[in-house]
Amino acid sequence: DAKTTQPPSMDCAEGRAANLPCNHSTISGNEYVYWYRQIHSQGPQYIIHGLKNNETNEMASLIITEDRKSSTLILPHATLRDTAVYYCIVRVARLGGADGLTFGKGTHLIIQP
Amino acid sequence: GAGVSQSPRYKVAKRGQDVALRCDPISGHVSLFWYQQALGQGPEFLTYFQNEAQLDKSGLPSDRFFAERPEGSVSTLKIQRTQQEDSAVYLCASSLEGVSNQPQHFGDGTRLSIL
Repeated sequence: DAKTTQPPSMDCAEGRAANLPCNHSTISGNEYVYWYRQIHSQGPQYIIHGLKNNETNEMASLIITEDRKSSTLILPHATLRDTAVYYCIVRVARLGGADGLTFGKGTHLIIQP
Repeated sequence: GAGVSQSPRYKVAKRGQDVALRCDPISGHVSLFWYQQALGQGPEFLTYFQNEAQLDKSGLPSDRFFAERPEGSVSTLKIQRTQQEDSAVYLCASSLEGVSNQPQHFGDGTRLSIL
């Protein structure tokens, strides 16, 4: 799976949009971009994933650049409960079996009141 | 509905003891994964099951680690002759199908401390 690069930490004011960047310049055509987050003392929580197109769900939006070498996770109205470590993961899509996720160090997002 | 359930939530053992950690995946989920998370680090993959078949155990750190899922549902991760470096949070995840573009859903883990 391609390597990802994320800033180690970010701050965001409560109520504002949080934009978390991720670089994955070696991504292949059959690799998805996944985002998970981990709140202290809990297991990772799936947020969203995409291949080429931008995606939106009830939690967040995922913007993938046209060349697919980077992406941005957007939390539209951050709350204090969004304070967590956010992981950007690139994962090969294949049939006939699944693969473990390769987590990096992630971005520690701190929402300020 | 119920998520992934892991037990015990905390486990303390003396060095050299054997431990068994349990994972109850989401009902009907075909794939099951185990991860190890050291303090301050991201989770690291240990092993993967598709139903009862263990298809990938490349991440198990030594032959003291053993996982099973005999009926394709509940899974147990066993660590024999525990050592201090085994202290970590052990996470279990499940996904609906046996393909890679399905999100994994995680339990809250078992925090293992080896004295």
